[in-house]
Amino acid sequence: EVQLVESGGGLVQPGRSLKLSCVASGFTFSNYGMNWIRQAPGKGLEWVAYISSGSSYIYYAETVKGRFTISRDNAKNTLYLQMTSLRSEDTALYYCARLELGGYFDYWGQGVMVTVSS
Amino acid sequence: DVQMTQSPSNLAASPGESVSINCKASKSISKYLAWYQQKPGKANKLLIYSGSTLQSGTPSRFSGSGSGTDFTLTIRNLEPEDFGLYYCQQHNEYPFTFGSGTKLEIK
Repeated sequence: EVQLVESGGGLVQPGRSLKLSCVASGFTFSNYGMNWIRQAPGKGLEWVAYISSGSSYIYYAETVKGRFTISRDNAKNTLYLQMTSLRSEDTALYYCARLELGGYFDYWGQGVMVTVSS
Repeated sequence: DVQMTQSPSNLAASPGESVSINCKASKSISKYLAWYQQKPGKANKLLIYSGSTLQSGTPSRFSGSGSGTDFTLTIRNLEPEDFGLYYCQQHNEYPFTFGSGTKLEIK
């Protein structure tokens, strides 16, 4: 059974940093591109970042480019999102999601909450 | 970026009825549209991709249609477990973008 379990969220002050993790199981992690997607309270879904299976290709949404860094450790089956210079508008539930080759997200974690507030 | 306009925002229906949710892209995305279901406390579930291909495990009462800029998700013979939030997503080009969501409620 495919499982994606996020962790590392919490309350953080504006301008500070936070690092999210997503541990994958039930599939060969190193074969799949992975993504972070977020959802602000009461809002819709926003794709945040993508990393290819071997980390060769990385893309970011314009809203986080230069502040967030996606990475992965295939030996640990873990996806990361390093978030710096956090803003109140980054407050959201952050999901990790597996990307199928066709560009759609076939498995999602349950999400981890990040709250940016003073 | 491709803008996705989803309608209606809210929908109320009774079990056994059929409903349709629409999604319009700001430019052609060929057939590359996915539909997801979101329910509290559960992982988001992929229902349909490439416009009309049912993901494994999606009940046959769900169907997707459309191409180019206009797409529709139809749910026939609604079951109680079908109520929740639905999102469309274009998977034709980066950045992948989502519709604003449709909340399907029990009438």
